[in-house]
Amino acid sequence: AQKITQTQPGMFVQEKEAVTLDCTYDTSDPSYGLFWYKQPSSGEMIFLIYQGSYDQQNATEGRYSLNFQKARKSANLVISASQLGDSAMYFCAMREKGTGGFKTIFGAGTRLFVKA
Amino acid sequence: EPEVTQTPSHQVTQMGQEVILRCVPISNHLYFYWYRQILGQKVEFLVSFYNNEISEKSEIFDDQFSVERPDGSNFTLKIRSTKLEDSAMYFCASTFGAPVSSYNEQFFGPGTRLTVL
Repeated sequence: AQKITQTQPGMFVQEKEAVTLDCTYDTSDPSYGLFWYKQPSSGEMIFLIYQGSYDQQNATEGRYSLNFQKARKSANLVISASQLGDSAMYFCAMREKGTGGFKTIFGAGTRLFVKA
Repeated sequence: EPEVTQTPSHQVTQMGQEVILRCVPISNHLYFYWYRQILGQKVEFLVSFYNNEISEKSEIFDDQFSVERPDGSNFTLKIRSTKLEDSAMYFCASTFGAPVSSYNEQFFGPGTRLTVL
């Protein structure tokens, strides 16, 4: 079963508009962390934002915010005022405890295209 | 700013050969990871390493894979007998502090692209 589901393989957004990238997750562990990473065409993984399962407020980091709906098990990323440089692959990930230590499970990703 | 480094950036090898991918985590980090990303696909967890031993591994991490921290700075992934399907980008990552909570930002290295011919 998929632990992290990103249902949008590709998204288009007009420059300066806001965009929401969807992510749903599945875990029975009450303690977990949710992450979003950006992967530009150069290939590196860039950390964007984190939300802990016990955090009461939605995380925000500059133009990035995480719409955390725990009951629905969703952790959507909102990018406000899109810029051309935001064009990249975006991965949602969940960190949970395995049998020994922690592991991070990634979704399939959403490719975002920002149009001028 | 401290960063995770990986060498080489690109490795080409023949099927059946052994390869060692090298990583230098951030110096005060304690928890280390390897991930792989087959071209165009998602990032897959391979293994986590803490206190000089494997703490978690995925089903991908079979007997042909091994990890080692041979000295105080390097963290290596060895693939004993490479197969065509091992061709992928391999990312090393590290986190600060002990894994006592689900949060610890993982700092990723730039990756090593492995091509098996």
